[in-house]
Amino acid sequence: QQQVKQSPQSLIVQKGGISIINCAYENTAFDYFPWYQQFPGKGPALLIAIRPDVSEKKEGRFTISFNKSAKQFSLHIMDSQPGDSATYFCAASGSGGGADGLTFGKGTHLIIQP
Amino acid sequence: NAGVMQNPRHLVRRRGQEARLRCSPMKGHSHVYWYRQLPEEGLKFMVYLQKENIIDESGMPKERFSAEFPKEGPSILRIQQVVRGDSAAYFCASSPGTAGSGQETQYFGPGTRLLVL
Repeated sequence: QQQVKQSPQSLIVQKGGISIINCAYENTAFDYFPWYQQFPGKGPALLIAIRPDVSEKKEGRFTISFNKSAKQFSLHIMDSQPGDSATYFCAASGSGGGADGLTFGKGTHLIIQP
Repeated sequence: NAGVMQNPRHLVRRRGQEARLRCSPMKGHSHVYWYRQLPEEGLKFMVYLQKENIIDESGMPKERFSAEFPKEGPSILRIQQVVRGDSAAYFCASSPGTAGSGQETQYFGPGTRLLVL
């Protein structure tokens, strides 16, 4: 069964700290791993995405780390700000695996305390 | 460039009625996906369509749910004879290409929140 497991379910970080969210997947056909940010009442917005041919990708304060052998990937938010408080979802999709649609983790509620 | 548009944003239906949700993809995108999100849960894939074709409906309930993406006009997700368990947020996403093409990034609309009384 195609699954993406996300942890933690909720996370509280002090302003200026590093927020870390982890995901693990099972389907080796997955080859595209995006992270989405969702605010209450809004649709998910793409933050950053990575493919298995690189181990890390950085965009501003957001970094994805990818471990292909362990089938794990994580999102790091540096210098976390109150405006980062939202729900974050990892996801995966792949060609040839019947996975054109994204398979999402269950989400992490992130709260940044001022 | 307008993003993915969905309407209505909120929809209230009584049990047994029909719900029609509409989605207009981003300009230049020919791939449309529908997802359902229950409270406090992640999004669940329902169906993937290209113009006039259903490519993957593996996540769609077998009964009462249908989707289309006609040659002209928006994609429609139709739920017949709604039940209380259909209450959820329904999101549409579009992409310029398909999985493995390098252009598979999906952009989401604001969603339709369906409430079944």
